[in-house]
Amino acid sequence: DAGVTQSPTHLIKTRGQQVTLRCSPISGHKSVSWYQQVLGQGPQFIFQYYEKEERGRGNFPDRFSARQFPNYSSELNVNALLLGDSALYLCASSLVSDYMNTEAFFGQGTRLTVV
Amino acid sequence: AQKITQTQPGMFVQEKEAVTLDCTYDTSDPSYGLFWYKQPSSGEMIFLIYQGSYDQQNATEGRYSLNFQKARKSANLVISASQLGDSAMYFCAMRDEGAGGTSYGKLTFGQGTILTVHP
Repeated sequence: DAGVTQSPTHLIKTRGQQVTLRCSPISGHKSVSWYQQVLGQGPQFIFQYYEKEERGRGNFPDRFSARQFPNYSSELNVNALLLGDSALYLCASSLVSDYMNTEAFFGQGTRLTVV
Repeated sequence: AQKITQTQPGMFVQEKEAVTLDCTYDTSDPSYGLFWYKQPSSGEMIFLIYQGSYDQQNATEGRYSLNFQKARKSANLVISASQLGDSAMYFCAMRDEGAGGTSYGKLTFGQGTILTVHP
């Protein structure tokens, strides 16, 4: 079975532009989360979607938005890009259960560079 | 608010020896889960091991074990018989109960520890 797939793998954008990152979760997984990982730091939570609804949002400006489609794939949009948005963007999918030990499976990420 | 602290920016270990990576956490939730992930230079986060807050025994997965001390709020990762392929960044992470007591997957990560295994 395919794991979590993200596209594109690398992206270079100019300040002020807009970008869309895509994520396909593991088949059967209904929850998708997005994380931003700045170089040298741990991933920071951006959004979480389950069944096409936003379930959680991290401390990110409104320039960041996301959505989940009926097939559970997801897009992360960032408007008015800043140099500080340069980071590795990770997508994670997981089953939703009442148990804490639901593992989150990560994609290889999209490395965004803003120049 | 949840917080994960990893105080070791970098660790070195000789091949075939054991190494402990430290992790302390802070949460007000009575129910939570603790995870360790490995991140090679390729960027993908690889799940290693999980410990639930109500688990009575320390988790083990092959060469990985988690030294869980709930009263001290620590969840250290122990890697036995280190291999050259273990060289990577290691992250400790926590998941809380979430709204309504259902876990939806949000993870809070620490800053990470870079492990270098010497031959």
